[in-house]
Amino acid sequence: DTAVSQTPKYLVTQMGNDKSIKCEQNLGHDTMYWYKQDSKKFLKIMFSYNNKELIINETVPNRFSPKSPDKAHLNLHINSLELGDSAVYFCASSRLAGNYNEQFFGPGTRLTVL
Amino acid sequence: AQKVTQAQTEISVVEKEDVTLDCVYETRDTTYYLFWYKQPPSGELVFLIRRNSFDEQNEISGRYSWNFQKSTSSFNFTITASQVVDSAVYFCALSENFGNEKLTFGTGTRLTIIP
Repeated sequence: DTAVSQTPKYLVTQMGNDKSIKCEQNLGHDTMYWYKQDSKKFLKIMFSYNNKELIINETVPNRFSPKSPDKAHLNLHINSLELGDSAVYFCASSRLAGNYNEQFFGPGTRLTVL
Repeated sequence: AQKVTQAQTEISVVEKEDVTLDCVYETRDTTYYLFWYKQPPSGELVFLIRRNSFDEQNEISGRYSWNFQKSTSSFNFTITASQVVDSAVYFCALSENFGNEKLTFGTGTRLTIIP
């Protein structure tokens, strides 16, 4: 069974469109994250949710809106896509925030904006 | 603010050679965690090790070993008797304690093992 899954794996879309990436974890973790990896492989945190509540928002444009319907899911919705949004987006999860454990990453979603 | 520096952008070694990947970090916290992740060509991120700031013991896991030195703020990773399957991008990362669990990643070191 996949621990952290993301859909879709690849997403190609036109500038200006709105798209969503879904993430699910079956590890029973309380905390979930979104990271962005750019073309130079640089990885940077975007958001973190703990028990469905936002705890980290790293100055991400408000075109990006995370949504956590329950603690096993953290979806990422992106409005008005721009060329610079092209990247690989990784979802991750870990056990209780404040009692640090390693983060388990999903396989990534490669977003290409044309 | 926390920062992780991996000065080696790319390294190539011949199979069976030993190789060390450097990681230097900056943090104002006294309690923090250090990590190494591997990203093979398939793209996923694979957790390798976590070390907390109070535990300076070196660790060995098979052909992998880690050298944590607080005095120099370094957490270096050595692969012994490298194999082609070790070819990947390796990331060092730092997390500060309590309430801020984000990982701050270094820029990664691309390791190529030449058969």
